[in-house]
Order: sequence, then C-alpha cells, then structure tokens
Amino acid sequence: AQSVTQLDSQVPVFEEAPVELRCNYSSSVSVYLFWYVQYPNQGLQLLLKYLSGSTLVKGINGFEAEFNKSQTSFHLRKPSVHISDTAEYFCAVSDQSYGGSQGNLIFGKGTKLSVKP
Amino acid sequence: KAGVTQTPRYLIKTRGQQVTLSCSPISGHRSVSWYQQTPGQGLQFLFEYFSETQRNKGNFPGRFSGRQFSNSRSEMNVSTLELGDSALYLCASSTRVATDTQYFGPGTRLTVL
Repeated sequence: AQSVTQLDSQVPVFEEAPVELRCNYSSSVSVYLFWYVQYPNQGLQLLLKYLSGSTLVKGINGFEAEFNKSQTSFHLRKPSVHISDTAEYFCAVSDQSYGGSQGNLIFGKGTKLSVKP
Repeated sequence: KAGVTQTPRYLIKTRGQQVTLSCSPISGHRSVSWYQQTPGQGLQFLFEYFSETQRNKGNFPGRFSGRQFSNSRSEMNVSTLELGDSALYLCASSTRVATDTQYFGPGTRLTVL
C-alpha cells in the first residue's frame, strides 16, 4: 500500500520569496507522482506530474518539483511566489501497476500556502 | 472543451436520508473516479468506473455506491446518511491511459444535519 506525507500543514511566506512544499511517499511498487492545487471552493487542478525520465519536472504557474527516489521525496518549489499562489497544495501518488489508470490516487493531507504582501 | 461538471453544487440533507450526486466527465473520457474530502480525513478515494464497470473501490461502507451510464456520466449514492458524511465530493475524469491527466470537477458540498 502507498502513503503520502506532507510535512507541513501550513506554510506562510512573503510575496516574491521562494517556497518549498515537502512531500514524502511510501510505496513497495513504482508510482507516479503528482502535485495538485485547490483554490477556495474549487476542485483540484494539476500543477505537475512525474511519470518517468528526468527527475526535475516543470509545471504550470512557475512551479517545479524534483523526484528523489532514494529519499522517496517529491518536493514542490517556486522561486518567487505571488499573492495569487495562496491555496492548498496536495501531493499524490498512484500505483503504476494499477490497471493502467490513475483512478486511485492516494493524497497527502495537504499544505496550505499563505502568501503575505 | 467543457470541463467536468458536477450537480448539484450544494446539498443539505438530514440524517437517515439518501442522496444522489451526478458527474458528467469531459467529452471522450470514459473513466470517472470519486473522492471524498473532509477536514479530518483529507482526500479519500471512493471508487472508479470505466465502461460502466466498477474497477476499484476504496475503503468505504456499503452505504456508498455508484454507477456509470453508457454515455460515461456517473452517479454516486449514499444511503442512510450520517453526520460524518458531510464532505466535499469530487469526481475526476480521464481517458484511463496511465500517463494521462485526471481532471477534477468543482465538487458537490454535502451537509448532513
């Protein structure tokens, strides 16, 4: 079984500062890794995903994440945040062997990013 | 291309009642997954449907059920509602290709009184 741990439940940061949201996972099989963002009263939007290949993945809105297999981590980073980045961020994994689908995503508890002016 | 739509967006029910939520996937997507989001438990997988068949199920009681129609629209039903069923219910659709993206709808906010 897989599990995902997001190490920080809340991260306050000033505008234009860099930010890192941490994610560690546990799995006995190969997984795909994802970061989603949720704005208030909305569904989830995919920021980026790691499927294979280069361990540095670039996503939308200037976010990037690095897959580290030895540390089973997939931390999300942005070099300079904006007020509009204030939202909740979720790390997720899916089992690569799961019937060819991402349909069973396992999510972390989320990290609330608060960007202050 | 229209996104995933969920109806209704908000729902208030009382304990013991049952409820049906609807999800219309993106055109061409045949896989629909359902998730429950609560402050305490976070996001939890309920079940996935593909080609009108349930492909996988999460760890929820039998009061939670679903189905998918030939046009890929999906419904989930919760019978004998409990206070703890109050949550945001999200559905997501995809092509079911492993490397494809799941697209989430805005959710249905269910409040059980």
